[in-house]
Amino acid sequence: GAVVSQHPSRVICKSGTSVKIECRSLDFQATTMFWYRQFPKQSLMLMATSNEGSKATYEQGVEKDKFLINHASLTLSTLTVTSAHPEDSSFYICSALQGVGTGELFFGEGSRLTVL
Amino acid sequence: GIQVEQSPPDLILQEGANSTLRCNFSDSVNNLQWFHQNPWGQLINLFYIPSGTKQNGRLSATTVATERYSLLYISSSQTTDSGVYFCAVEETSGSRLTFGEGTQLTVNP
Repeated sequence: GAVVSQHPSRVICKSGTSVKIECRSLDFQATTMFWYRQFPKQSLMLMATSNEGSKATYEQGVEKDKFLINHASLTLSTLTVTSAHPEDSSFYICSALQGVGTGELFFGEGSRLTVL
Repeated sequence: GIQVEQSPPDLILQEGANSTLRCNFSDSVNNLQWFHQNPWGQLINLFYIPSGTKQNGRLSATTVATERYSLLYISSSQTTDSGVYFCAVEETSGSRLTFGEGTQLTVNP
């Protein structure tokens, strides 16, 4: 299957700082990528849909100024958690769509963010 | 939005046993995927199965799109099968995946 790489896998930061998470599709081009958030023992919740070269589409209740998404190339999307607070601590997972419009999704390894 | 329900929520098996996990969804879908989330959080693709039946080793899956459900079969379970199994569906309105709540599987030696 296709490979999606996410970095960093784990980050600890102080409250008020910003953290950037990268998501790369290593062996295919991804016009569309998705960012999910997962709390302990819960399912994955979609945060936003990222399309290469255009603005991200955010799900209801997700603050676009808090979670900045950039999809500057067909193989890279980034999520920046701005002015992080302890409640932003979570597991963030990206995925990339292999195909245009529809297709199989492949997920990165996830990034565990802890805000002190 | 579409509702995705998985059952059972928890399942405990002895090694070697067989099991069936179910995924019901409330509307028509373009696609359906099954994933296994390992203890480190990585989501492993098991099946991309909008309809029909597929098999991969000890695992197989069947989706009956007209009746809005999918089944994941695990045969001769092993301790390494432990983890959370998620079903996720793509609504006909777009490519986003909506996840079910998952089935937590524990396989004891």
